[in-house]
Amino acid sequence: ELKVEQNPLFLSMQEGKNYTIYCNYSTTSDRLYWYRQDPGKSLESLFVLLSNGAVKQEGRLMASLDTKARLSTLHITAAVHDLSATYFCAGAYNAGNMLTFGGGTRLMVKP
Amino acid sequence: DTGVSQNPRHKITKRGQNVTFRCDPISEHNRLYWYRQTLGQGPEFLTYFQNEAQLEKSRLLSDRFSAERPKGSFSTLEIQRTEQGDSAMYLCASSFVEAFFGQGTRLTVV
Repeated sequence: ELKVEQNPLFLSMQEGKNYTIYCNYSTTSDRLYWYRQDPGKSLESLFVLLSNGAVKQEGRLMASLDTKARLSTLHITAAVHDLSATYFCAGAYNAGNMLTFGGGTRLMVKP
Repeated sequence: DTGVSQNPRHKITKRGQNVTFRCDPISEHNRLYWYRQTLGQGPEFLTYFQNEAQLEKSRLLSDRFSAERPKGSFSTLEIQRTEQGDSAMYLCASSFVEAFFGQGTRLTVV
């Protein structure tokens, strides 16, 4: 059974600072996803990581995947208030591509 | 709008009543999923369809829950004899490779 753990669960940071969210998973996962969720809203897909060493960047967010360590990271560069949201990582397992989500990291970026 | 569409967006029901939610996936996606999310938690997988076939069900899906996807198009999720513990956001997602989520149906059982 795939288990996904994120840390930290809560992150308060100042604008302009850098930080990393960590996502560990327990067994082999075919794909690793990062989603963003704003309060009361659904999930917005940020990144899909398909292979070891994969790195993807969009704006101030960069995601990477190390399948040997079973670790994915979401790095935030020079945070801005608009990035305040909850970020989830999720691993996909078996041919059906069902997702197992981590508990989420609630990010608050303070001006 | 070609995204995943869910209806209704909100549903308040009395305990013991039956409710049904609908999901219209992105048209070219053959895979459809239902997830449940409670406050402060990540979504939890409920069930998965490939075309019209329901291929996987979570143990979270009790006998009171049933899902269908007739003709491999839209899907419905029915909860019979609702309980307060069923209160949650019910999310539908569809995928070809990457999963895209709908806006969800927020269920409140009073």
